[in-house]
Formats: sequence, C-alpha cells, structure tokens
Amino acid sequence: KAGVTQTPRYLIKTRGQQVTLSCSPISGHRSVSWYQQTPGQGLQFLFEYFSETQRNKGNFPGRFSGRQFSNSRSEMNVSTLELGDSALYLCASSWQAGDTQYFGPGTRLTVL
Amino acid sequence: ELKVEQNPLFLSMQEGKNYTIYCNYSTTSDRLYWYRQDPGKSLESLFVLLSNGAVKQEGRLMASLDTKARLSTLHITAAVHDLSATYFCAVDSGQGGGADGLTFGKGTHLIIQP
Repeated sequence: KAGVTQTPRYLIKTRGQQVTLSCSPISGHRSVSWYQQTPGQGLQFLFEYFSETQRNKGNFPGRFSGRQFSNSRSEMNVSTLELGDSALYLCASSWQAGDTQYFGPGTRLTVL
Repeated sequence: ELKVEQNPLFLSMQEGKNYTIYCNYSTTSDRLYWYRQDPGKSLESLFVLLSNGAVKQEGRLMASLDTKARLSTLHITAAVHDLSATYFCAVDSGQGGGADGLTFGKGTHLIIQP
C-alpha cells in the first residue's frame, strides 16, 4: 500500500510570493492533517480536513489556508510568504480523525 | 491549552545501556503517540497508547502510559546505534471528536555511541 505522498519535495520562493503544496493520503484514508516543523517552534498543527471540510485549525494567520478534494487529496496554500514561513511542511493521513496519523516525506519550503 | 513536555531534549548514551525518555502532558487525553524521526526524514509511527496502564513493546523500545499522572515513558533497552534518532511524543486531546490535531513535544534527540 502506497504511503502518503507530498509534492513538491523542495521549494524555494521569495518574500511576498504565494505557494501551494499538495498531499495525497494513503488510499482509503479520509482525514488529512498538515503540520509545520521548524527548529525553533518544533512541530505545530496547521489544520485538519475530513470529507472536504476543515474541522480544526491551529494558531496560524489567515495567510495559511487549505482544502480537500473529493478524492481526499489535499492542498495547502500560503500567501504573501514571509522569511519565517521557511519550514518543513508535513502532511499526515488517517482513516478518520483520532486514528494514528501516518506522515508523508514533507515539503521543505525555503523563503528568501 | 494542551502542553506536552519531553525530557531530556538531548541524550547521548552508549550502546548496551538502558534509558528512559519522559513525556508529560497538561490535560486529559484520549490518545498518546510516539514517533521517530531520522535526520532529513519524516515521522515514523512507533506506538499509540489508548488507555491508562497501556504498555506496548517493539524490539528494544517499550512505551507506557499513566493517564492519572499524565505521563508516558519510552524505555530503551540495551541501546544499539540504529536507534539514534529524534523521538517525539504527541497527544491528541480528543475533545473535538478527534479533530483537534496532535500537540507534539519538542522531541528528544538521541545519539547512541559505540
């Protein structure tokens, strides 16, 4: 069974630009969560989607948004990038909310 | 606000020794997870602990949960170099029907030296 996949794996952007990251969950998983990992703040929850609905959101500004499609694939978007948005963005999927989350390889975003 | 604290944050130990990583959390939780992360890699699920007194073991790693003390431990027995990694505990408060996301500890960076 294929694991969680994320594209792209690496991304370099400049301040003020926007970026879209993609996540394909494990087949059959309907819950997708996104996390940001930085050396300073560690792993922080961004948001969780289930059946195309955002069910919860972490403490991040409105520049961070996401969506989920009917096939459970998810995208997250960051607008007006700031230097502090440089991070590893991890997507995790689970059968349903509350089940063990399985993480993808991540997208490393560098903002210059 | 749920807080998760791990200690130690850094641990250097010799092969063959035993050690324990501690994870304290601040509010009632339905589930506690342990993950492993190798440098430059993603998180690998190790254990999920669902009830008070739960104990899970896989190879040289054993995890336990005391919900009354809000404490989980990850015990390493007779450490080997391959266990060098960063270990995270994460808590799901479960109060929002399981949709609250995981709150992670800062991780324990474990180095096992020959």
